[in-house]
Amino acid sequence: DQQVKQNSPSLSVQEGRISILNCDYTNSMFDYFLWYKKYPAEGPTFLISISSIKDKNEDGRFTVFLNKSAKHLSLHIVPSQPGDSAVYFCAASALRSQGNLIFGKGTKLSVKP
Amino acid sequence: KAGVTQTPRYLIKTRGQQVTLSCSPISGHRSVSWYQQTPGQGLQFLFEYFSETQRNKGNFPGRFSGRQFSNSRSEMNVSTLELGDSALYLCASSPSTSGVQETQYFGPGTRLLVL
Repeated sequence: DQQVKQNSPSLSVQEGRISILNCDYTNSMFDYFLWYKKYPAEGPTFLISISSIKDKNEDGRFTVFLNKSAKHLSLHIVPSQPGDSAVYFCAASALRSQGNLIFGKGTKLSVKP
Repeated sequence: KAGVTQTPRYLIKTRGQQVTLSCSPISGHRSVSWYQQTPGQGLQFLFEYFSETQRNKGNFPGRFSGRQFSNSRSEMNVSTLELGDSALYLCASSPSTSGVQETQYFGPGTRLLVL
């Protein structure tokens, strides 16, 4: 059973608008969440993370929101740029199994000029 | 700082052979994790090494093994290769301060094709 789910395989947005990528998790032991961006045949690039003690973390155009009661997190990209087009992965880990990231299946974001 | 490096970048093997992949973590990082990415299963955790010891292990058969050296460099080995082992193998490193969750930084991966 998938512990981290990204239910939208793809998302298309217009340049300059907001992109919202969603992620749900089932394991209440997860206490650290990350978003990675990935291009084909390359390794994931770290974007932003959030600890379970917070509900929001912001870094430039990227903001991650965490709703622990709903076991849901989202990544907001504002404004979206064509260079943001890639596959975005949500990942989660629990401190007691440090080093083991559980990944969602990814959402392919296309930002159109 | 230099990023995580992986060698080789591409590899072609035949069924039944074995393969060894190498990973050099970011300088100062003590934890190295390995992942397999396939179109069907996505990114899956193989194992994690810290201070030359396997600290966590995913749900993969014993044909997949690894080790870590005193300089934190790591290798993973796959024996008796099967067609289904064709994948992108990714290595990630983190500082791994005790009791603190930290970000893992990924290398570019090794693309393995088993014929």
